[in-house]
Amino acid sequence: LAKTTQPISMDSYEGQEVNITCSHNNIATNDYITWYQQFPSQGPRFIIQGYKTKVTNEVASLFIPADRKSSTLSLPRVSLSDTAVYYCLVGEPPRDLTDYKLSFGAGTTVTVRA
Amino acid sequence: KAGVTQTPRYLIKTRGQQVTLSCSPISGHRSVSWYQQTPGQGLQFLFEYFSETQRNKGNFPGRFSGRQFSNSRSEMNVSTLELGDSALYLCASSLNFNEQFFGPGTRLTVL
Repeated sequence: LAKTTQPISMDSYEGQEVNITCSHNNIATNDYITWYQQFPSQGPRFIIQGYKTKVTNEVASLFIPADRKSSTLSLPRVSLSDTAVYYCLVGEPPRDLTDYKLSFGAGTTVTVRA
Repeated sequence: KAGVTQTPRYLIKTRGQQVTLSCSPISGHRSVSWYQQTPGQGLQFLFEYFSETQRNKGNFPGRFSGRQFSNSRSEMNVSTLELGDSALYLCASSLNFNEQFFGPGTRLTVL
């Protein structure tokens, strides 16, 4: 599994856009990039997944440059409830469903202030 | 559709005891994974079960074991508890690689 590096923490204010960049220099050809969000005392929650270029859903956007050595999670107009830990994961979809595990790094603690 | 449920939510044990945690996946999900989360080590993968078979295992000692039943419900057992086993134990179920659904976790405290 490719190693990921993300900032330990980020501060923001309500209504601002938050961009979290994850480095994954050793990403393999078949690896996907996935982001999870975790609130205190809760399990992580899937946010978004992508392979290349840009992916957007109702909560976030994921930007992946052509070399795929990094990716940026963008949270538009954050609110206080977006305060959480955000994890970047890189891994290959299992072949024949035989190799299936997620490797979480330290994550980025995002604190949104009023 | 009901989410992943874990029981109990909180547990206090003493060193040397053993503990069994339970996880009920989302209906239709056949893959169940277990993770340990501590402030120092973060989220670490324990093992994953699919159709009652352990398909993958993390780097944990043999004191940590699990099983999955025919209805996809899973249990995790930790024997000879140590202080360092105090953690939040998370269970996740999945239908495919794209997304894992996590339960609220079981907070285990070992005294």
